[in-house]
Amino acid sequence: EIVLTQSPGTLSLSPGERATLSCRASQSVGSSYFAWYQQKPGQAPRLLIYGASNRATGVPERFSGSGSGRDLTLTISRLEPEDFAVYYCQQYGNSPWTFGQGTKVEIK
Amino acid sequence: QVQLVQSGAEVRKPGASVKVSCRASGYTFTKYYIYWVRQAPGQGLEWMGRINPNSGGTTYAPKFLGRVTMTRDTSINTVYMDLSRLTSDDTAVYYCAREYLQDPFFDPWGQGTLVSVSS
Repeated sequence: EIVLTQSPGTLSLSPGERATLSCRASQSVGSSYFAWYQQKPGQAPRLLIYGASNRATGVPERFSGSGSGRDLTLTISRLEPEDFAVYYCQQYGNSPWTFGQGTKVEIK
Repeated sequence: QVQLVQSGAEVRKPGASVKVSCRASGYTFTKYYIYWVRQAPGQGLEWMGRINPNSGGTTYAPKFLGRVTMTRDTSINTVYMDLSRLTSDDTAVYYCAREYLQDPFFDPWGQGTLVSVSS
């Protein structure tokens, strides 16, 4: 199975700053079969990005995704207070579909 | 709007089984796969399997083969996830989620069902 490693584990930033989250796969994932999710405490995950770079419906433009193959990046251009959460990457190019361990974006 | 509503929290003893339901509304039930993902306390997300509500066909993650069974009832737009031979490692929140665009990424998700396994 493909293992996804997210870095950093925790990102401490202030509102208004730019956040850059990384996800690396243990082997190449076909095309751009990656997704990103946001999860807040006590809530279910929410889909942000699919196909590595496509925003899901209703996702603000400050969220953007890039990458392919083994490396993926999620960028939040200017952090809003509601963006402090845990973010997970997922690959869906090879079954079993797997998730990274998460990056926590916390208020500095 | 598209919504998935899950059954309530469960407590089981080791060795027992649990069955969690997920009722869908707001779309054509048979058109999209439903997936099950679990999250142990303080941990990440783990895909368990999926069911095609149209055919009833299933695909399970290797880790859960032989222990998980997913079924559906099209008359009430509901899917079920049955997990047997529970251990304390199965204590987790179990989510159902719909595929987003007929591909295996997920939105929306159910609210989650906490399954606690303790003697």
